[in-house]
Amino acid sequence: EAGVTQFPSHSVIEKGQTVTLRCDPISGHDNLYWYRRVMGKEIKFLLHFVKESKQDESGMPNNRFLAERTGGTYSTLKVQPAELEDSGVYFCASSQGSGRGDTQYFGPGTRLTVL
Amino acid sequence: AQRVTQPEKLLSVFKGAPVELKCNYSYSGSPELFWYVQYSRQRLQLLLRHISRESIKGFTADLNKGETSFHLKKPFAQEEDSAMYYCALRQSNRDDKIIFGKGTRLHILP
Repeated sequence: EAGVTQFPSHSVIEKGQTVTLRCDPISGHDNLYWYRRVMGKEIKFLLHFVKESKQDESGMPNNRFLAERTGGTYSTLKVQPAELEDSGVYFCASSQGSGRGDTQYFGPGTRLTVL
Repeated sequence: AQRVTQPEKLLSVFKGAPVELKCNYSYSGSPELFWYVQYSRQRLQLLLRHISRESIKGFTADLNKGETSFHLKKPFAQEEDSAMYYCALRQSNRDDKIIFGKGTRLHILP
């Protein structure tokens, strides 16, 4: 069974440009999460979808970030316009349930570099 | 605020020696604690969780609520244990987000 996949694996853009990251969760997983790790810092939660609904978006840094999950399958995370401090690795994770004992399975991450 | 602290950025241990990766957390409730591992060129994966009380790849971790610690231990290190290890916490009965520590890079010396 395929795990969580993310596209692209790397993205290099200039400040002010737009970038869209994609995550395909494990088939059948209703819960999808976005995290990111910026240089020297810990991996931080961005938001959580249950199917197509945003359950928790408390970690989204500002309104330059927009996440969608139309149809409750794959998700996109758009950064517009990108700033230097957005550079980092963006991880997606999915889980079947969301309770105690449920495991979040992580994708390989997208490394974003903003020049 | 909830926080996970891993005091060591890098830990070098000789093969066959015991390993202990330290983790402390701050949370007033009853959290769920995890250790995640990322081997070179692989994705982040769950190593173990405190509620399972299991040993994975020879690693164990005991939740000490009095000391708010969840240290990861292995009696005899192996070269394939070299990786980045993240201690993590999830609040119980609330939201599902995982709070990570900054990670400790474990380097096993031959």
